[in-house]
Amino acid sequence: DTGVSQDPRHKITKRGQNVTFRCDPISEHNRLYWYRQTLGQGPEFLTYFQNEAQLEKSRLLSDRFSAERPKGSFSTLEIQRTEQGDSAMYLCASSQNSRAPPDTQYFGPGTRLTVL
Amino acid sequence: AQTVTQSQPEMSVQEAETVTLSCTYDTSESDYYLFWYKQPPSRQMILVIRQEAYKQQNATENRFSVNFQKAAKSFSLKISDSQLGDAAMYFCAYKETSGSRLTFGEGTQLTVNP
Repeated sequence: DTGVSQDPRHKITKRGQNVTFRCDPISEHNRLYWYRQTLGQGPEFLTYFQNEAQLEKSRLLSDRFSAERPKGSFSTLEIQRTEQGDSAMYLCASSQNSRAPPDTQYFGPGTRLTVL
Repeated sequence: AQTVTQSQPEMSVQEAETVTLSCTYDTSESDYYLFWYKQPPSRQMILVIRQEAYKQQNATENRFSVNFQKAAKSFSLKISDSQLGDAAMYFCAYKETSGSRLTFGEGTQLTVNP
């Protein structure tokens, strides 16, 4: 299976600790996205990369959050000094810059973060 | 800013019957994409169907079809011959043609009764 993969699938941490998540996109996809999903809600956009360039960031992405995509392959999302409000599912998606078919995003299984 | 509204938090359907999930959106753009995603209890988001706004023909994928009403900014999903495996949270999503982000609705939890 060559879908989007995320690691770890679950992370429990104590408030104030730093955490890092990894996303490996579908290999031929040059676009990568991070979303956050809280229980019972739709995902909310965090940030977007085209190749290695971070082209868009949501205002939800506070200065405690940083994302990178070195060499335009996998991406990491780091949260520093975690807070209980950071508890959520963090979803990664990837897409190929193409109009045919439309620029469709394919999602990974997510990383569930619990901050105690 | 674009918004997507799903007014039905929960829906249920009997196995083999048909159900329609509603979605409305607000945008000032004329060209955009609309999607329905399914998120089963395992929580991996799966694409169900997509529609390009410039296409008047409604998209269909096997048992899934949409009713796209551009003027009304409405994009409903019809599931025919419902199966137990269709039980999931369904999200409607919007994307500008030139944009990157998906804007999701709040979701509709679909239950399929045997």
